[in-house]
Amino acid sequence: ELKVEQNPLFLSMQEGKNYTIYCNYSTTSDRLYWYRQDPGKSLESLFVLLSNGAVKQEGRLMASLDTKARLSTLHITAAVHDLSATYFCAVVTQGGSEKLVFGKGTKLTVNP
Amino acid sequence: DGGITQSPKYLFRKEGQNVTLSCEQNLNHDAMYWYRQDPGQGLRLIYYSQIVNDFQKGDIAEGYSVSREKKESFPLTVTSAQKNPTAFYLCASNLGRSSYNEQFFGPGTRLTVL
Repeated sequence: ELKVEQNPLFLSMQEGKNYTIYCNYSTTSDRLYWYRQDPGKSLESLFVLLSNGAVKQEGRLMASLDTKARLSTLHITAAVHDLSATYFCAVVTQGGSEKLVFGKGTKLTVNP
Repeated sequence: DGGITQSPKYLFRKEGQNVTLSCEQNLNHDAMYWYRQDPGQGLRLIYYSQIVNDFQKGDIAEGYSVSREKKESFPLTVTSAQKNPTAFYLCASNLGRSSYNEQFFGPGTRLTVL
């Protein structure tokens, strides 16, 4: 059974600082997604990571994937208040069903 | 505009009632999914459908039912057998099997049991 763990679950940081969110998963998968959720809202797709060594960047966020270690990271550079949200990683189960297994999310608060 | 719509946005249910949540997409996606989100938790899969007239149980299907009579529509019924239905319900879709596209999510329905 595929399990996905994120850490930390809560992250409070100051504007201008850097930090990394980690996503570990327990069985082989060929795809990993990062989503953002604002309070009371739906999920917004941030990144799709398809292969080992994949790195994608959008603004102050950079995501990477190491399939051998079954680890993805979401790195935040010079955080700003607008990045405050909950971030989820999700991993696709093997077998063609396209089912996603989500981590519990990391609630990020960026303080001025 | 292409997208996924869910209705209603808020829904209140009395104990013992069945309620149906609507999910419609005009993205021409083959696959559709229903998730449940509880406070401070990730999403858990209730049901999914990869093709019209076919659907499979997810991890927490007990107390829920679905239908997929049209490609565009995937309604979810929360039955009285669901012991704790208060949650945020999200519908998603994608192109389905053999696709590397991510799942796109609707705006959600917040269900509260009175």
